Order: sequence, then C-alpha cells, then structure tokens
Amino acid sequence: ELKVEQNPLFLSMQEGKNYTIYCNYSTTSDRLYWYRQDPGKSLESLFVLLSNGAVKQEGRLMASLDTKARLSTLHITAAVHDLSATYFCAVDNSGSARQLTFGSGTQLTVLP
Amino acid sequence: DAGVIQSPRHEVTEMGQEVTLRCKPISGHDYLFWYRQTMMRGLELLIYFNNNVPIDDSGMPEDRFSAKMPNASFSTLKIQPSEPRDSAVYFCASRKGMGTEAFFGQGTRLTVV
Repeated sequence: ELKVEQNPLFLSMQEGKNYTIYCNYSTTSDRLYWYRQDPGKSLESLFVLLSNGAVKQEGRLMASLDTKARLSTLHITAAVHDLSATYFCAVDNSGSARQLTFGSGTQLTVLP
Repeated sequence: DAGVIQSPRHEVTEMGQEVTLRCKPISGHDYLFWYRQTMMRGLELLIYFNNNVPIDDSGMPEDRFSAKMPNASFSTLKIQPSEPRDSAVYFCASRKGMGTEAFFGQGTRLTVV
C-alpha cells in the first residue's frame, strides 16, 4: 500500500525566514504533485514533478523530486504572510492502479 | 472552462436519508476522482474513473457508498443511508491523462445530523 508522509505537519515561521517541507512516499513513483489549500477552500495545484531531479519554482516556492530517495521537498524562501496555507503533496503509484494519494498536509503559518 | 463544478455546495441531512453529490468534470478530462476530507483522516481517495469506468474503488468506506459516471460530463456519489460519521467535505477532481495536475471542484460540505 502506498503511503505518503509529510513533515512537519504544523509549521510556524517568521516572515523573511526560509524553511523546507518534506514529502516521503513508500513505493515507486516518478509523478509527484504539490497543492495548496486555504482554509475553507478547495485545492489549488502548485507544481507537477515528473522525473528524477525535476525542479520547479514559482515565486518564493521551489519544489524538487528525488525518485531514488522517494523524497520531494517544497522550499520556502523569505516567507510572507500570504503563503500561510496548508500544503499537500500527492503521488501516483507506478506499480498499481492507485492514483493521486495525498499526504496529511503541512499547515503553514507565517507570522509577522 | 468553468472548472470542475460540484453541487450542492452545502448539504444538511438527517441520519438515514439518502444523499447524492454531483460533479461535472472539465470537458476533455478523462480521469475523475472523488475524495473525502476530514480533520481526522485528511484527504481520502474514495474512487476514481478513467473514461467513465471505475478503476479503483478500494477507498469506498462501505456498501452505503456508491458512485457512477454515466457519461463523460457527469458523476454522482451517493450515500444511502447516511450516518453522522459521513459528515465531511467531499471533493471531485478531474485531469487529462496520467502525469498531469488534477483540478478540484469547490467541494460539497455534508453534515449528517
């Protein structure tokens, strides 16, 4: 069974600081997705990572994928309050029909 | 495109009643997913369809839940009979092919009293 684990689950950080969210998964996959969810809202796609070594950047967020380590990271640079949200990673399981399994999410709060 | 459209946005029903949630995927998308989100269990994949055919329904919690996709532009998730523990936000999502981002609807917040 595919397991997707994120850490930390909760993260409070000061504006201007850097931090990294980690996403580990348990089986073979080369397709990983990052989403953002604001309170009471739907999920919004941030990044699609489709190969080992893939790196995507948008503003203060940068995502990377290491399929050999079964690890993806979401790096936040110089955080601002607007980045406060819950961030999810999701994985397609290459070995089975199982699709888009989500991690537990990381609730990020950026403090002024 | 208007995106993935779900209805209703909110549903309050009494225990034992039948509940039907509806989803219209983005035109041209061949994958459709149903998720349930709760504080305790997070985002759970219930079932997904490819070209209107159910591929993986292993996440459907029990026989009270059923899902159909009669055509490429419509899907339903039905709970009969509903129970208070079914209270959650139910999301529908669609995507075009594997290895692409899925787009989520606004969700249906279900409360069973």
